[in-house]
Amino acid sequence: GQNIDQPTEMTATEGAIVQINCTYQTSGFNGLFWYQQHAGEAPTFLSYNVLDGLEEKGRFSSFLSRSKGYSYLLLKELQMKDSASYLCAVRDTLTGGGNKLTFGTGTQLKVEL
Amino acid sequence: DAGVIQSPRHEVTEMGQEVTLRCKPISGHNSLFWYRQTMMRGLELLIYFNNNVPIDDSGMPEDRFSAKMPNASFSTLKIQPSEPRDSAVYFCASSPQDSAGYTFGSGTRLTVV
Repeated sequence: GQNIDQPTEMTATEGAIVQINCTYQTSGFNGLFWYQQHAGEAPTFLSYNVLDGLEEKGRFSSFLSRSKGYSYLLLKELQMKDSASYLCAVRDTLTGGGNKLTFGTGTQLKVEL
Repeated sequence: DAGVIQSPRHEVTEMGQEVTLRCKPISGHNSLFWYRQTMMRGLELLIYFNNNVPIDDSGMPEDRFSAKMPNASFSTLKIQPSEPRDSAVYFCASSPQDSAGYTFGSGTRLTVV
């Protein structure tokens, strides 16, 4: 099974940079995902890492170290609209076919003026 | 594409009643997932279908829960009888096989009183 840990809450200032960490333990790792979820809405896909290193996508970047079971999501030039829950998820490939995502409980980010 | 379509958006029912949640995945997506989200437990995978076949239902809480996927464009999650502890947001998600990410529906907010 999987065990995924991320902080429950974080607060940051508009225009700043924030790093949200995620550690995981899994039996069949095949990728790490970050999703954003605004209150009352569905999660939306942000980024995906399957190899070690940094993936950059505009203001958002995600890093993975498979040997350490560690990832982070980096948000630059924070905007008020970035206030949301950020979910770390680990993918396992199943013998029955396809893939399965297991989610952490999410980090609630609050961006303040 | 209309995305993943779930119905109803909100459901309020009395304890003991049967509840049926519906999902239409994105056309061409091979995999379909049912998740439940609560404040305490976050997003939990209930069941996963690949090519209409249930692959992993280990997350289904108990026999009161059942899910079907009679064809590639439709799935149902049924709770019978419902209990107040089933109150949660139920999300359906779909993805192409071996895809990097899922697309979530808007969710069904279920309240059992």
